Amino acid sequence: SQKIEQNSEALNIQEGKTATLTCNYTNYSPAYLQWYRQDPGRGPVFLLLIRENEKEKRKERLKVTFDTTLKQSLFHITASQPADSATYLCALPGLPGYSSASKIIFGSGTRLSIRP
Amino acid sequence: NAGVTQTPKFQVLKTGQSMTLQCAQDMNHEYMSWYRQDPGMGLRLIHYSVGAGITDQGEVPNGYNVSRSTTEDFPLRLLSAAPSQTSVYFCASSLAGQGKYEQYFGPGTRLTVT
Repeated sequence: SQKIEQNSEALNIQEGKTATLTCNYTNYSPAYLQWYRQDPGRGPVFLLLIRENEKEKRKERLKVTFDTTLKQSLFHITASQPADSATYLCALPGLPGYSSASKIIFGSGTRLSIRP
Repeated sequence: NAGVTQTPKFQVLKTGQSMTLQCAQDMNHEYMSWYRQDPGMGLRLIHYSVGAGITDQGEVPNGYNVSRSTTEDFPLRLLSAAPSQTSVYFCASSLAGQGKYEQYFGPGTRLTVT
């Protein structure tokens, strides 16, 4: 069955450094991969989507890579700030291709803390 | 737009009681989903719908029913609540049918079953 692993349950880094979060998956060939941010007591908020034919995607201080050979995505936050502290979730469609776009499966998340 | 709304925000049930968690969206999204979130387990998909009249099971559908009679509403029914259903429930919607795969989540319903 499909499995998604986000390698670190928690990550603590100093303000200004680059945070790197990992998402690994098995038994998948996803057409795309998404990253979400979740603050305590709130629903997840979409950040970025990267498609299988894209190696890298950027949005402001965020960068996502997608290696379909390694079955891995890396999520980077550069020049991190305490306001970036949150839980970050990766998500993939539960079936190959785009046809199951509603059957999105989430990883368990990585709790990121940025200390001043 | 109000986005995705969920009611109630909090609910306490006794074992065996039934209830319906409400979810509505005003963005004309065809795709809607229900997730539950438990500590350390991330979000798990319960049921989803790709349009009015069409629903399907997710990862953990047992003990839950859904229906989709309109595009806007996607209620989740607990038929006979059990302590194992204590969780935070999130509803989400998207325009995945039009190639826009980002999901918009509601604020969640925190359910406790005693």
